[in-house]
Amino acid sequence: QVQLQESGPGLVKPSETLSLTCTVSSDSISSSYWSWIRQPPGKGLEWIGYIYYSGSTNYNPSLKSRVTISVDKSKNQFSLKLSSVTAADTAVYYCTREFAWGMDVWGQGTTVTVSS
Amino acid sequence: QSVLTQPPSVSGAPGQRVTISCTGSSSNIGAGYDVHWYQQLPGTAPKLLMYGNSNRPSGVPDRFSGSKSGTSASLAITGLQAEDEADYYCQSYDSSLSGPRVFGGGTKLTVL
Repeated sequence: QVQLQESGPGLVKPSETLSLTCTVSSDSISSSYWSWIRQPPGKGLEWIGYIYYSGSTNYNPSLKSRVTISVDKSKNQFSLKLSSVTAADTAVYYCTREFAWGMDVWGQGTTVTVSS
Repeated sequence: QSVLTQPPSVSGAPGQRVTISCTGSSSNIGAGYDVHWYQQLPGTAPKLLMYGNSNRPSGVPDRFSGSKSGTSASLAITGLQAEDEADYYCQSYDSSLSGPRVFGGGTKLTVL
């Protein structure tokens, strides 16, 4: 059974960089697309971006200038970096596996709060 | 404001049928892109509920069905049960500057 687990600091100061890692279990990261999704408190889902195992990426245009998603095939992990964070970036961050038939596996989510 | 428009809330009594709409445009649903649906139970991560407009992943009851026509898609739930109370999100793909993956704003289903 494929499992995804997000990890990273739960508290980030304004203007700093948010860094999260997603560890993939029971599947090879060289199998599909891997995405980051976030959900601000009480709000809906927002797609952040994806990476393909080859390293090709695509980002939400509204976040593109601040986002970097990378993959570490040796560790079967992919990561998210979001720079210059503000309170508006406070959210639950999810990592997902994506095929043509949608995002079929989700991590449990990790809460990131931006506050000084 | 979401690229795909969903009603904020719908409700129904146990046993009834409800539908949730997802309205897009010519750059996403209307362009022929597939629509997927996700169910988010309170306090949990979203779960893939319907893929490719009308296909149920293994384990999803056949009370759930999906359809797509023109620039819109719909999720129907028949024989409503208390455990169906959740948030539902549609997701598609977009060829405009909105980004290649887009979500609806979500619909809160209340079982009366």
